[in-house]
Amino acid sequence: DGGITQSPKYLFRKEGQNVTLSCEQNLNHDAMYWYRQDPGQGLRLIYYSQIVNDFQKGDIAEGYSVSREKKESFPLTVTSAQKNPTAFYLCASSPGQVYGYTFGSGTRLTVV
Amino acid sequence: RKEVEQDPGPFNVPEGATVAFNCTYSNSASQSFFWYRQDCRKEPKLLMSVYSSGNEDGRFTAQLNRASQYISLLIRDSKLSDSATYLCVLTSYNTDKLIFGTGTRLQVFP
Repeated sequence: DGGITQSPKYLFRKEGQNVTLSCEQNLNHDAMYWYRQDPGQGLRLIYYSQIVNDFQKGDIAEGYSVSREKKESFPLTVTSAQKNPTAFYLCASSPGQVYGYTFGSGTRLTVV
Repeated sequence: RKEVEQDPGPFNVPEGATVAFNCTYSNSASQSFFWYRQDCRKEPKLLMSVYSSGNEDGRFTAQLNRASQYISLLIRDSKLSDSATYLCVLTSYNTDKLIFGTGTRLQVFP
């Protein structure tokens, strides 16, 4: 079955550490996206990529980094520069905006 | 003004009721429209696209009013399983991204 897989489901990070969230899709979608969701708030775009080896900052890119070396993979690194990283992180992919997005099941990151 | 605005709710309705949500948008160039459903602590899932002529999928009906810049979602014969947050989503002609509303929470009670 085609889909989009995020791992891990839960992640705990100590202050000052970098952590990387995985996102893999086998839907053959060109575009991939990372969003952050905080309680009671909507989805906020962190980074997106329309094609391999290219990506753009979203609305809240500070403290995050991404890479897109393969079409299937779009990992997100939460760096120590991100001051408030505790949130629900969602990865999505799309064959084109008119079709909407397919989301992964998310990673819940907590700073301890 | 926010690009997408939704009433956060909650809308508390009994089983079997009909309930409707509206969502207004500010960019008249918006091209594609969707309703997503998000269950508590889960990812959003596409419920339905919204077409200019309106469209129906079982108990769900979506409408688009370009003149007044809003879309709507009507749910008939509400089920307990319809309890969720419903996200209004749209694209703009000149961007590569979807824009998400903050959602309307629906709670269906027995």
